[in-house]
Amino acid sequence: AAGVIQSPRHLIKEKRETATLKCYPIPRHDTVYWYQQGPGQDPQFLISFYEKMQSDKGSIPDRFSAQQFSDYHSELNMSSLELGDSALYFCASSRQGEYEQYFGPGTRLTVT
Amino acid sequence: DAKTTQPPSMDCAEGRAANLPCNHSTISGNEYVYWYRQIHSQGPQYIIHGLKNNETNEMASLIITEDRKSSTLILPHATLRDTAVYYCIVRVFDTGFQKLVFGTGTRLLVSP
Repeated sequence: AAGVIQSPRHLIKEKRETATLKCYPIPRHDTVYWYQQGPGQDPQFLISFYEKMQSDKGSIPDRFSAQQFSDYHSELNMSSLELGDSALYFCASSRQGEYEQYFGPGTRLTVT
Repeated sequence: DAKTTQPPSMDCAEGRAANLPCNHSTISGNEYVYWYRQIHSQGPQYIIHGLKNNETNEMASLIITEDRKSSTLILPHATLRDTAVYYCIVRVFDTGFQKLVFGTGTRLLVSP
C-alpha cells in the first residue's frame, strides 16, 4: 500500500539559510499535517491543511510557512534557520471521516 | 482536549502481554481515546482507538473503564519489534481535522 512520502530524508543547512520540505500524502487523502520533533522531545503539531486551505495552526514560528497544492502535496518552507530548528519533521495525512492519521518517515533537518 | 498521564517507562519480556495504562480523568463524553506508537525516530503509527467499548484489532486490545477515566492498551504477545514509545491521546473526533497532541508517552522496552 502507498504510504506518505517525504523528501528529502536528510537535510543539512547553515544558520540563516532557507529550507523546503516536501510531503506527498497517500492517494485520496485530503488532509495534511506537519509535526516537529526536537531531540529527545515528543512530536509537536505545526500546521495542517484540508482541501488546500489551512485548517489548523499550532506552534509554528513566523519564519515558517506552508501550503498545500492542487495535487494535495504540501511544502513546508523555513527561512532564517536557527540552530533550534534542528529536528525531525513529520508529515502525516488522513482522509476526512477516518480516524487514523498516517505518518511519513520524516525529514531530519540539521542546522549548523 | 483532555490531558493524559502515562508511566514514563515499562519493561516486558518477549512473548508476554504488555499492559500499558493511561489515566484521563478529565475526559469528556465526546472524546475518544487513541493510541499511537513511535519506534525509534520513525513516524508515529496508529494502533487503535475507542470511545467507551473495549476494542480489539490485529495489533492490540483497548480496555476502557466504565467511567472512562482510564484505559489500558494490551499487546497480547509482545515482540522485540514492539519496543517503542506509546502515546495515549484523548481528543474529540472532528471529521476532517485530526490534530494530534502528543504527551510524554510510555517508553516500552521488550527484552528477550
